[in-house]
Amino acid sequence: AQTVTQSQPEMSVQEAETVTLSCTYDTSENNYYLFWYKQPPSRQMILVIRQEAYKQQNATENRFSVNFQKAAKSFSLKISDSQLGDTAMYFCAFMKNGGTSYGKLTFGQGTILTVHP
Amino acid sequence: GAVVSQHPSRVICKSGTSVKIECRSLDFQATTMFWYRQFPKQSLMLMATSNEGSKATYEQGVEKDKFLINHASLTLSTLTVTSAHPEDSSFYICSARDLQGDFEQFFGPGTRLTVL
Repeated sequence: AQTVTQSQPEMSVQEAETVTLSCTYDTSENNYYLFWYKQPPSRQMILVIRQEAYKQQNATENRFSVNFQKAAKSFSLKISDSQLGDTAMYFCAFMKNGGTSYGKLTFGQGTILTVHP
Repeated sequence: GAVVSQHPSRVICKSGTSVKIECRSLDFQATTMFWYRQFPKQSLMLMATSNEGSKATYEQGVEKDKFLINHASLTLSTLTVTSAHPEDSSFYICSARDLQGDFEQFFGPGTRLTVL
């Protein structure tokens, strides 16, 4: 079974600053996907960024980028130029590619990020 | 595109009654939908995987007779909480995978269930 660990229950950052959210995972799989989801106060889950494990290049989406260290099983999210709208709970998630568990997401505990003006 | 809706968004019911929650993919077909449960400020816990035309697959510890899942079409899955009790009060979220898409899941807005 896979596990995903987010060791930072809460984080805060000043507007326009940069913040990094940590995520580690444990798996014996070699082919998988990793995700960061954002859940604002509306509770709607929003995909922030995704990474295929077979890709060495770190994914980026505008102000969001990841540091994917496959050997260390680490997948951190960096938010640059933080905005007030980034305030939300962030979840790291793992999905195995293929097999009977294909499509199932395993979520970390979440990190509440607050952006201060 | 890729919109998933849930109905109702909020429901309050009396203990012992049953409640049905609908999850619809509005602009795509979904052979697989997932149902999650989330307690306040906690993570999403997968309850079951719903497959169109077949029985749902429940995660360990989830009572299949209490949480009935039906996936009768490629755009609709329902979760029925039978004989609801206060401990069933929670936020229920569904997600769906596009039959024609890749591995990405699209999430519904969730349903807040309160059992009195």
